[in-house]
Formats: sequence, structure tokens, C-alpha cells
Amino acid sequence: GAVVSQHPSWVICKSGTSVKIECRSLDFQATTMFWYRQFPKQSLMLMATSNEGSKATYEQGVEKDKFLINHASLTLSTLTVTSAHPEDSSFYICSAQTGRTDTQYFGPGTRLTVL
Amino acid sequence: GDSVTQMEGPVTLSEEAFLTINCTYTATGYPSLFWYVQYPGEGLQLLLKATKADDKGSNKGFEATYRKETTSFHLEKGSVQVSDSAVYFCALSDLMDSNYQLIWGAGTKLIIKP
Repeated sequence: GAVVSQHPSWVICKSGTSVKIECRSLDFQATTMFWYRQFPKQSLMLMATSNEGSKATYEQGVEKDKFLINHASLTLSTLTVTSAHPEDSSFYICSAQTGRTDTQYFGPGTRLTVL
Repeated sequence: GDSVTQMEGPVTLSEEAFLTINCTYTATGYPSLFWYVQYPGEGLQLLLKATKADDKGSNKGFEATYRKETTSFHLEKGSVQVSDSAVYFCALSDLMDSNYQLIWGAGTKLIIKP
């Protein structure tokens, strides 16, 4: 149980284009989803927290107009990187949480490369 | 604020060796404590957790005990395998703005040699 999927697992795009990453909880309802960014050999950096049906809460320094997050249902959240640039290249990981528990279940991550 | 400190890696061991990865924390409340593992090129997997003092989390031969007196949650395994090679993250949960968020350690890379 508690499986989270992400799609795509990797994507290469040209600079200036937008990329959408999906995060799905497959066997539970995710009331809260988190989006992280991970740089090589580093820990995870929390980008934003989203509760189903509400606007996402972004961490300081994360541009909400650049990283659009939608959490429209209890099983799906999307992260759209708008007008991507090479510095946006990274490993993006989502996680999901149900109810008032404190355990997060992670997706396998999406490797984004912007040329 | 709350924080998590892990021993720096990489930690290199031979197969069947005993493993300890140290983790200490600072917290104002009574957080849950977690160990997550990340295999190369993959996302994170929950390895084990403990929710209160003296709890022991265990999974796949790994274990960690929530020590409030020393504010520690050290990860141990009696006999490591090559397949245990990965990055291990210690984390604690913190209630922020009505959501439980994770505060992460920097991660410890573990390399097991045959």
C-alpha cells in the first residue's frame, strides 16, 4: 500500500518551453502533497505544500509563477515548470500524505533536463 | 527551529559489517522520527519510523531507537549487504501551518563493498 507514482520519470525539453509533471497516489487519498527539488548529492529542498482543493503554499525563494502547482483531486497533483531554463534542470520529487498523519510517501522522482 | 544532523559520508563498509549511521535532532515538541533510503536514480522510500520516546523502528534488518535523552535516532544494521548501498536520510516531522512537514538531514551515502 501507499504507492505514489510520478510521470514522466524523465523529460528533456528546450529552454523556454513548459513541462508538466504528474504525481498520483495510487491506493490512498492524499489530502496533502509536497513537491521537492533535489540537486546532485544534496538533500531534498521543499518547494511547496498543497492541500486538495486549496492553493499551494510555497517555500521562501520559490517562484510560484514559475512552478505552478495544482492539487485538484485527492489522488493527483501536478507541477508545471513554466518557461523552463537550464538552471531549472533538477530531480523533482513529490510526496503524499493522508489525513493528519505525519508520514510522507514518495514518488520515484522526475529527472528534468532543460537544454 | 527544528533541525536534524547526520554523520557525513560516504560511509564505506565491507559486506557483512556492522552499520551505524548517527542522527541527532533538535526539536521543541515531540516529533516523529524517520529514516528514508534513496537508491541510485530513484525516489525516497520510507525505511522505518518511530513516533515516541523509546520506540524502536525496524525494517529489512535495519533498526533505530528514539532516544529522547540523547536526542538521537541512530540507524543500525547487524550485517550489511551490497544491495544496501544507497543514501540514507534521517528526518523529523514538524507541524507547520496545519501540515506535518519533514525536516531533513543532509543524507549519508553508504557504500558496501563485496
